Amino acid sequence: AQKITQTQPGMFVQEKEAVTLDCTYDTSDPSYGLFWYKQPSSGEMIFLIYQGSYDQQNATEGRYSLNFQKARKSANLVISASQLGDSAMYFCAMREGPGDDKIIFGKGTRLHILP
Amino acid sequence: DTGVSQDPRHKITKRGQNVTFRCDPISEHNRLYWYRQTLGQGPEFLTYFQNEAQLEKSRLLSDRFSAERPKGSFSTLEIQRTEQGDSAMYLCASSFTRDSSGYTFGSGTRLTVV
Repeated sequence: AQKITQTQPGMFVQEKEAVTLDCTYDTSDPSYGLFWYKQPSSGEMIFLIYQGSYDQQNATEGRYSLNFQKARKSANLVISASQLGDSAMYFCAMREGPGDDKIIFGKGTRLHILP
Repeated sequence: DTGVSQDPRHKITKRGQNVTFRCDPISEHNRLYWYRQTLGQGPEFLTYFQNEAQLEKSRLLSDRFSAERPKGSFSTLEIQRTEQGDSAMYLCASSFTRDSSGYTFGSGTRLTVV
């Protein structure tokens, strides 16, 4: 079974609009961390935002926020006021438990920002 | 420190040849990870090191693959007897313990097996 599910293979959004990228995850471990990464066409993976399973508040980093709904096992990324430079692949990822150190990734969503 | 460096950026090899990739992590990072990414997919975990110790290997890492991290600094990933299915981007990342900022990734090595 997939641990990270991103159901939107591709999205087109008008510049300056907000966009929500969906991510659901599957774990039975009460301690885990959730990440979002951006991968532009250059190929480098860029860390965007992190949410710990015990964090009480949703994480925010500039124009990025993570809509964390623990009961639904959902960790959607919200990008406010989208810009042309936001066009890229976006990956949701998870690290499980205190004893596991690897991050596992979803299949990604390709975001296209239209001028 | 300029981040995680990977060399080469691109490698084209004939099927059956051996290839070796190098990764130089951020100097103060004690953990180093290798991932493989095929077109249109997310990165898949291959293996990781804490200092010089290889702590976990994925089942994706067949016996044709070997990774080392001598002295806990740079790491090499070798693929022996390459196959066309090995064509992918090989990503290296490093972190300091279980940093909540996740990993810092290199730009990757794109391998094409012809």
